[in-house]
Amino acid sequence: QKEVEQNSGPLSVPEGAIASLNCTYSDRGSQSFFWYRQYSGKSPELIMSIYSNGDKEDGRFTAQLNKASQYVSLLIRDSQPSDSATYLCAVGKGSQGNLIFGKGTKLSVKP
Amino acid sequence: DTAVSQTPKYLVTQMGNDKSIKCEQNLGHDTMYWYKQDSKKFLKIMFSYNNKELIINETVPNRFSPKSPDKAHLNLHINSLELGDSAVYFCASSQDRGYGTQYFGPGTRLLVL
Repeated sequence: QKEVEQNSGPLSVPEGAIASLNCTYSDRGSQSFFWYRQYSGKSPELIMSIYSNGDKEDGRFTAQLNKASQYVSLLIRDSQPSDSATYLCAVGKGSQGNLIFGKGTKLSVKP
Repeated sequence: DTAVSQTPKYLVTQMGNDKSIKCEQNLGHDTMYWYKQDSKKFLKIMFSYNNKELIINETVPNRFSPKSPDKAHLNLHINSLELGDSAVYFCASSQDRGYGTQYFGPGTRLLVL
C-alpha cells in the first residue's frame, strides 16, 4: 500500500464548479497534512495545512481531515481556469519532518 | 525577496561528471530539505538538515552528498552522474521540523546525457 494515495486525474471541472480532490494515507500516527499546488514547470506552493479533524476554510479552499478514515480532501469552490494545476497531498511523517507526497491530481478548469 | 533560492536553474551535463546544486534560504528557518521530482512528477524526500545536522537520509545512492555550511545553506553534490539522475531537484525549508509548512525553491532541472 502506497503511503499517500491520490487519484492522478485528470480531473476536469467547468469554471464556477466545485472541484473535489481526495487523498488517503497509510500511517495512522500522521499528525500534519498539507495541500500543495504545482503549476507546470514551477515549484510546489502551499495551499492549506490542517492538523485537526474537521474542516478548515481559507477563501475558496476548504480542507477536510478525517483521521479515523485516514482521509484528507481539498474542495475548491467557484473554480477558476487559474486553478488548473497539479495538486499534491502531503503528510508529515513523524518528528523528523519529512513530508510524504502523493503523486498528485491534475486539475483542469474549463472556461 | 527570494525566500528559498537555488542555483543553477538548469544543469545539462554528461554521464560520469560531478556537479553541485546550491540552496539558500533567507527565512531564518532551522530545517532544510532536498527533494527529487522524477519525470512522472513524483516528489520524494532525499535529505533533511536541522541546524547543519543531518536528520533524514532516505535511500539515496552514496553518490549524493549534502553539505550544510550553515543553517541558511544546504548544497547537494552529485558524483558520477547517471542517466537516471535526470530530474528536478527542489530545496525546501521549514521552521518547525515535522509539522511546519515547507517552502520550496524554484527547482534545478538536471539533465544527464
